[in-house]
Amino acid sequence: DTGVSQDPRHKITKRGQNVTFRCDPISEHNRLYWYRQTLGQGPEFLTYFQNEAQLEKSRLLSDRFSAERPKGSFSTLEIQRTEQGDSAMYLCASSFDRDTSYEQYFGPGTRLTVT
Amino acid sequence: ELKVEQNPLFLSMQEGKNYTIYCNYSTTSDRLYWYRQDPGKSLESLFVLLSNGAVKQEGRLMASLDTKARLSTLHITAAVHDLSATYFCAVFLTQGGSEKLVFGKGTKLTVNP
Repeated sequence: DTGVSQDPRHKITKRGQNVTFRCDPISEHNRLYWYRQTLGQGPEFLTYFQNEAQLEKSRLLSDRFSAERPKGSFSTLEIQRTEQGDSAMYLCASSFDRDTSYEQYFGPGTRLTVT
Repeated sequence: ELKVEQNPLFLSMQEGKNYTIYCNYSTTSDRLYWYRQDPGKSLESLFVLLSNGAVKQEGRLMASLDTKARLSTLHITAAVHDLSATYFCAVFLTQGGSEKLVFGKGTKLTVNP
């Protein structure tokens, strides 16, 4: 098992551009989460998928953010019309519903810089 | 709204010394996790604490959970430089069919020779 993977690892974009990140969870993990971490802070929850259903979307996510998980496998997080305040590390995590510990395994993250 | 508070936020200690990091949370939960993060890296799972009174140890680190006091501790014994990192506690929250981790702000640990 190769763990959770994320692509790209780094993204530099100009303000106003759209960006899309991808997360591939550990195989058979049906639960997938996105978090955002800004410098010097702990990760903050963005959204949660159980299989293909998006069950919660944080108030942190404005209308410019959208996440999908087609067919309950990989997930994408899109940010439209990026702003400098969107600069952060975007972390994806997955877990397995048969694991009663509910432990979440984190990917390496995508670091977004908006100039 | 669940609040998770860690203290201290910054900790500078000498090699060989002992210290404890505290994690308080405001809402009932019976699952708490500790993660380590090195600069520019992602989160590495250290401990999963699933019940009141749970205690786990790995090397120089020991974590405990008191769900009644809503308190977890991460104890460092005889610190070494390799332990320098930021440590996060995270509380598991379920609500209305959803679930998430709520993180503290982290404790940045620096171990000096």
